Amino acid sequence: GAGVSQSPRYKVAKRGQDVALRCDPISGHVSLFWYQQALGQGPEFLTYFQNEAQLDKSGLPSDRFFAERPEGSVSTLKIQRTQQEDSAVYLCASSLVLKETQYFGPGTRLLVL
Amino acid sequence: KQEVTQIPAALSVPEGENLVLNCSFTDSAIYNLQWFRQDPGKGLTSLLLIQSSQREQTSGRLNASLDKSSGRSTLYIAASQPGDSATYLCAPRMEYGNKLVFGAGTILRVKS
Repeated sequence: GAGVSQSPRYKVAKRGQDVALRCDPISGHVSLFWYQQALGQGPEFLTYFQNEAQLDKSGLPSDRFFAERPEGSVSTLKIQRTQQEDSAVYLCASSLVLKETQYFGPGTRLLVL
Repeated sequence: KQEVTQIPAALSVPEGENLVLNCSFTDSAIYNLQWFRQDPGKGLTSLLLIQSSQREQTSGRLNASLDKSSGRSTLYIAASQPGDSATYLCAPRMEYGNKLVFGAGTILRVKS
């Protein structure tokens, strides 16, 4: 079946621009996670949802980062007033239930100039 | 705060060798642990999930072991192939949360 999809795959933004990154989880998956991966590092947790409820946003690096999942399916990660340090790969993952196998999308590679 | 270390950082082996990738974590209060592979420019592919109550989990040529009390997990790859070349990441999931905490990974190259 279809896996997790993310769009766009690549995004170049000028410093100060707002960006929106989309994640389509596997159909029926209740839990959705966002991670940020810097070059040469493992992914770092940003936030997660159980259905439409955002249960943990402790990993969001600043108040410029905002995530939503209004209908408990598709999620959007928004970054306002992008900075160069926001350049990274943003990965989305979903799982059928909490604490079980997370399946990752291909990621969105964001470059802020 | 959970800290995850993977050793070695990089490994290059000839085809056919059996190899072991090591993962250690500082907080043993984990619920389970997942091993992933990541190909260049791609997302993560789940390889194995091992529950905290398990000692081993096997899938094909892969075998993961877990020693929760000592904070260690190993991924054993039998009869390595060039197609196994990738970065391997381990990620424990805490008992008291749902996020995965990742190590920096081991970059594996299998030479033909």
